[in-house]
Amino acid sequence: EVQLVESGGALVQPGGSLRLSCAASGFTFSSYEMNWVRQAPGKGLEWVSYISSTGYTIVYADSVKGRLTISRDNAKNSLYLQMNSLRAEDTAVYYCTRIWGTSNEVFDVWGQGTMVTVSS
Amino acid sequence: QSVLTQPPSVSAAPGQKVTMSCSGSSSNIGKNYVSWYQQLPGTAPKLLIYANNKRPSGIPDRFSGSKSGTSATLGISGLQTGDEADYFCAAWDNSLSAVLFGGGTKLTVL
Repeated sequence: EVQLVESGGALVQPGGSLRLSCAASGFTFSSYEMNWVRQAPGKGLEWVSYISSTGYTIVYADSVKGRLTISRDNAKNSLYLQMNSLRAEDTAVYYCTRIWGTSNEVFDVWGQGTMVTVSS
Repeated sequence: QSVLTQPPSVSAAPGQKVTMSCSGSSSNIGKNYVSWYQQLPGTAPKLLIYANNKRPSGIPDRFSGSKSGTSATLGISGLQTGDEADYFCAAWDNSLSAVLFGGGTKLTVL
């Protein structure tokens, strides 16, 4: 079964750091481009970051540039999001998603999400 | 505020057909494909439509998509109570070099 499982979400103080992980299974992880998408409580979806299958190409939303870092370890079938200088507006459920085909907006597999709460 | 504009809510009776819109601009919908996602309460989003009007395997043909100019439309026919969900459109934006989502439309099946 194709599956993405996120972990690492927690309550963290403003200015703090957190590292999210996403474990992939059931498919050849190294062949797929991946993304992080987030959803603030009661709000819509917001694309956060993209990473190519090799990890050489990375793109960020303006709202997280310089604070969040996406990475992957194809040997471990894992995707990561290092989150630094966290702000209240980063509070959201963070989803790990797989891109299908060549279109950047087609996310065919989603994890269950992990909650990040930034509050003092 | 989302760059892709969706109506906050739509409603229709079981068995009826409903459509919902997604309005963008020449830098996103006007030049790129549109995808649609369904998010049932308390769950992760699910891909419904990609490349404007294509359905992934397993998605019933009650769901349809279309695009014209800088707008896209999702249609759902034969409405069921299980279709009650939030629906989001998405497209790549060439100017922002980012994926944009619409604000979402909440479907109520009366």
